[in-house]
Amino acid sequence: AQSVTQPDIHITVSEGASLELRCNYSYGATPYLFWYVQSPGQGLQLLLKYFSGDTLVQGIKGFEAEFKRSQSSFNLRKPSVHWSDAAEYFCAVGGGGSYIPTFGRGTSLIVHP
Amino acid sequence: EAQVTQNPRYLITVTGKKLTVTCSQNMNHEYMSWYRQDPGLGLRQIYYSMNVEVTDKGDVPEGYKVSRKEKRNFPLILESPSPNQTSLYFCASSLTGVSTDTQYFGPGTRLTVL
Repeated sequence: AQSVTQPDIHITVSEGASLELRCNYSYGATPYLFWYVQSPGQGLQLLLKYFSGDTLVQGIKGFEAEFKRSQSSFNLRKPSVHWSDAAEYFCAVGGGGSYIPTFGRGTSLIVHP
Repeated sequence: EAQVTQNPRYLITVTGKKLTVTCSQNMNHEYMSWYRQDPGLGLRQIYYSMNVEVTDKGDVPEGYKVSRKEKRNFPLILESPSPNQTSLYFCASSLTGVSTDTQYFGPGTRLTVL
């Protein structure tokens, strides 16, 4: 069965600092990996996704993620965080056939001015 | 504007009183699904639909029903709500349902069952 682990429930960073949110997955074949952001009171918005090819994926809002098969990881990064990045971030894994993605429990990002 | 809409956005009800949460998308998507979001548990899929009249259970279908009579609408029905169904609910849609499609999420419905 597929699963996703986001080991950090909360992450606090200062505005302008770099950010890395961790995501580890378990999947029997080549995974499809996603990062979503949920701003307060909003639905989820796709930041980026990985299916194949270049393991460094660029997304919206200046985010990127790197797929590392050997570590079963898909960590999300941003070089300089803005106050508006404060939100809940979800990693998800899916693959093949029908679309039943599995979401992680989420990481809440707090940005200090 | 391409969007997924849900109504109501907030609902407080009592145990056993049937309710329906509506979901509509204007993107002509074939695939639609419902999730619930609970603190510390992330999103869990309740039901999904690959097309009109085609629905299937997700990970947590107990206590819920759905229907897909039209392509654009996918209502979530709670025939006899219970307090453990207090949650934040999201509807989502994608073009065909394959894993490479982007899912578009509605704004959420916060349900409280007393």
